[in-house]
Amino acid sequence: EPEVTQTPSHQVTQMGQEVILRCVPISNHLYFYWYRQILGQKVEFLVSFYNNEISEKSEIFDDQFSVERPDGSNFTLKIRSTKLEDSAMYFCASKEGVNTGELFFGEGSRLTVL
Amino acid sequence: AQSVTQPDIHITVSEGASLELRCNYSYGATPYLFWYVQSPGQGLQLLLKYFSGDTLVQGIKGFEAEFKRSQSSFNLRKPSVHWSDAAEYFCAVGAGGDDKIIFGKGTRLHILP
Repeated sequence: EPEVTQTPSHQVTQMGQEVILRCVPISNHLYFYWYRQILGQKVEFLVSFYNNEISEKSEIFDDQFSVERPDGSNFTLKIRSTKLEDSAMYFCASKEGVNTGELFFGEGSRLTVL
Repeated sequence: AQSVTQPDIHITVSEGASLELRCNYSYGATPYLFWYVQSPGQGLQLLLKYFSGDTLVQGIKGFEAEFKRSQSSFNLRKPSVHWSDAAEYFCAVGAGGDDKIIFGKGTRLHILP
């Protein structure tokens, strides 16, 4: 069964360092998302992406964050200068089309900022 | 704005007992509604979804949920829980189209042997 894959599964970084989280969405999906879940808290929307541009972003998604789909396959989330409070599980999700509401999630990338 | 409320942070039931997890939503039109399950350290797996039609929807692992427009609710039920059902359950709402979905805070389910 097709699935969303994310790498790395766990990354530890020093505060101030840049981090890139990678996602390979399901191949025929057109809509892409990043969500964040701080330990023990709810899953929060970060950004949605369609047709090579951001559709919507939350207040969390400030100038330190960026997304891109450089090669038509990978969908990346970059955090330019990590802060302690960026420590969280980051989930990538994709959706097939406009008429399907279901998001398919990856297993997540756990980011630990020291 | 969309919002989802899961009033129970933790629920404990005995194995074999029935289960109902509550979810209330706020949304202007008919929403797309979802229940996802997350086992410890794992990703989010879709249990079931409601878009339109029959208000009682069946999902995987023996779960079902009922959409009640008058109560703005989408409660999740299972007639007999198994120890493997212990996990965190998230209700979510979306508008469809290219819209995001918004999650509730989750309900952690504990199963007593």
